[in-house]
This record gives sequence, structure tokens and C-alpha cells, in this order.
Amino acid sequence: KQEVTQIPAALSVPEGENLVLNCSFTDSAIYNLQWFRQDPGKGLTSLLLIQSSQREQTSGRLNASLDKSSGRSTLYIAASQPGDSATYLCAGRSGYSTLTFGKGTMLLVSP
Amino acid sequence: DTEVTQTPKHLVMGMTNKKSLKCEQHMGHRAMYWYKQKAKKPPELMFVYSYEKLSINESVPSRFSPECPNSSLLNLHLHALQPEDSALYLCASSQGLAGATGELFFGEGSRLTVL
Repeated sequence: KQEVTQIPAALSVPEGENLVLNCSFTDSAIYNLQWFRQDPGKGLTSLLLIQSSQREQTSGRLNASLDKSSGRSTLYIAASQPGDSATYLCAGRSGYSTLTFGKGTMLLVSP
Repeated sequence: DTEVTQTPKHLVMGMTNKKSLKCEQHMGHRAMYWYKQKAKKPPELMFVYSYEKLSINESVPSRFSPECPNSSLLNLHLHALQPEDSALYLCASSQGLAGATGELFFGEGSRLTVL
């Protein structure tokens, strides 16, 4: 059964810093991994989806990588802004199953 | 359009009430999901519909009853709920269940309070 872990649980940085959020998973037979953003009391917004055949995906200031052999994914946020403050969740899909979520990293970017 | 629409946004109900949550998507997706999320926890899967048929039920109590009237709509019927069922209920959809079709798109959620 897939297990997903996110480190750190919380992160506070000043505006302008580049930062990395980490996600690890136990089942290397992963189909894809998806990164989400969630603002308080809101739904999840899909940020990036990486297929198992891909090494990375980029969208604007976001870059997500996937290393199946080590069971790791990272989300890199460049030039962080206060508007990036949110909880970031990664979720992995293995086989014909549904997503397994990590517990999230709560990010606070201060002006 | 990558929108999943959920109504109502907020719902307060007593333990004897019957209410429904609604979810709609027009992306042509054939898989739809209900998740439950408690504060500061990740979403927990409740139900999955694939091609309008119930595919997964994660041992959810029968006081929650899902329904998929057509490929664009998903309902969650609520009856005789308990205060501990208060949570954010999230609907999601994907083109399919696995592989390259598996990207999930979530709605904004329905905040349920059971008194």
C-alpha cells in the first residue's frame, strides 16, 4: 500500500526566497504524482502532475521533480511571494487505485 | 474549463435532517470522487464512481449515500448524521481512474456542520 510523507510539516520564509518542499513515497510502481495547493477552508487546486515516465514538470515559478528509484518528489518554488502562503499537498497514484495524500506542508511567506 | 462546481458552499443540519450535496463538472470526465476532510488533515476518500457506476466505497457508513445520475453530476445524500461528520466535503473528477488520465480536479468543497 502506498504511503506518502511530506517534510517539513510547516515552513516559514521571507518573501523572495527560493524554497523546496519534499514528498516521499513507498511504492516505486507509481503511475503519477500530483501536487496541490489548498488555501484555508477551500478546495484543492492542482499545481502539477508528473507521470511516472517524466522527471519533472514546470509551471511558471513552480518546478516539480520525480525520482521513482529513490521514492522522492520535490516542489521548487522560485522567488516566493506572500500569495504563495497555503498548504501544499502531494499525492501519489499506484496501479488502478486512487490517490494517496501526504499530510501537507503549511507554507507561510512573510512580506 | 477545469471547473468542478459544488453546492451548497455551507450547510448546517440537525441529526434528524435529510440533505444532499451536489457536484457538477463539464470536462467530460468519467471518474468522480467524494472526499471528506477534517481540519488540518489530508482528504480521505469516501466514494469513487467510474462511468456512472460505484467503483469504490471506502467502508463509509450508510448514512452517506452517493448517487451519480449522469456523467456530469454527483450527489451525496445525507441522513441521520452525527456531529463528528462535520467536515469539508470535497468532490473531484478525473478523465479516468489511472495512469495518464488520472489528474484530479477538485471543487471548492461544501462545509458541513451537524448540530
